[in-house]
This record gives sequence, structure tokens and C-alpha cells, in this order.
Amino acid sequence: DTAVSQTPKYLVTQMGNDKSIKCEQNLGHDTMYWYKQDSKKFLKIMFSYNNKELIINETVPNRFSPKSPDKAHLNLHINSLELGDSAVYFCASSQDRGQKYEQYFGPGTRLTVT
Amino acid sequence: QKEVEQDPGPLSVPEGAIVSLNCTYSNSAFQYFMWYRQYSRKGPELLMYTYSSGNKEDGRFTAQVDKSSKYISLFIRDSQPSDSATYLCAILSGGYNKLIFGAGTRLAVHP
Repeated sequence: DTAVSQTPKYLVTQMGNDKSIKCEQNLGHDTMYWYKQDSKKFLKIMFSYNNKELIINETVPNRFSPKSPDKAHLNLHINSLELGDSAVYFCASSQDRGQKYEQYFGPGTRLTVT
Repeated sequence: QKEVEQDPGPLSVPEGAIVSLNCTYSNSAFQYFMWYRQYSRKGPELLMYTYSSGNKEDGRFTAQVDKSSKYISLFIRDSQPSDSATYLCAILSGGYNKLIFGAGTRLAVHP
């Protein structure tokens, strides 16, 4: 019974294409996140949503657009893909209060742009 | 200066060794300090957290925070091959549950 799931697990595409990654959590959390982990394993937050509202938007190109249809889902759409977008993208979720430092991560989506 | 600095390693130790992993941070206002563990091709998972200064122990793992020197450490006693993973320190920043991660230290424990 997966807590945070992402689809697809692997994504290989060409430069210029548009792609989406989907995330779902069944933990009842109010806050969800997108992270990018580059080839050097550096993990950096991109976006955070709380109850479908965008609350963190780091310096990310506007080709990246998150969408939260409900508090259990957070999708990431990427337009006009570039070589530098190749990375592993992780979705995560956490409680809004209490142990908010504990974020539960999905298995990641490995994006390769050729 | 990065908000959290961590030596990426890699670190290779024999089974049974004591491992010391370290990070430094820049903002003295940080209060929550975490260690996440990430196995190859998996998502990170929370290993331990510490609030403010002091030590916290959980089995073979001890997390330590020294706020005066802005230094956080994770010690692993009697290291096992199953401890081989990347260890990421993280700090909770601000009011929006924003985690700032270090670069991660790759640890290999060989039998």
C-alpha cells in the first residue's frame, strides 16, 4: 500500500517536447512538494502546495507548472523540455502541523531529455 | 555561501566501523535538523530529527547538533553493509515546511 506514488517511473523524451508527471499520496497530508535531484544527488525544492494552494515557488523556469486538483494529488507539467531538465523528480508530502519536518517521498521519476 | 554544506564523500568503511557524517549551516535561526537516508534509486526517508541543540539516540544512530558552531552530525555505530546509502542532512526553514538539504554523503560499508 504505497504512501506516495508517482507515474511514470522513467521518462525519456526529446528536447522541445511537453511532458507531465503525476503524484498521489494516501496519507491524508495537506502539503505536497516537488523536488529536483540533479546528477550530483543535490535535492532542491521546486514547489509546495498546501490544500491545493501554491505556497512555495522557488526560482524555477515558468516552463514548469504544478497543478493540484485536490489535496491528494500534485502534478508537474513541463513545457519545451531542455537537456538541463534531465534529473530525478521527487514528489513528497507532509502534515501541516506537528511533525511537519517529516516529509514522505515518492520513488522518483527519472527524466532523461535527449 | 550555501545555507547547508555537506561533504559529498564518498566514504568507504569496513563493517563494524563507527561512521561520522557532518554538515554545517549558516542561519542561526534554524531549529529543526534532520537526517534523511536515501538508498540507490529510491526516495529519501527520514532517519532522525533533532530540535535545537543536543543529542538524540536511536539504536545504532546518534544525531548531534551544536548550535554554537552551527554543526550537525550523525554517528553510526557498528556499521552494517545495509547502511550503505546516501545520507542527507536537512534543515527546516521558515513557516512553510521548506526543507533545505545538504549535498548528501554517499556511504559504502564493505563486509
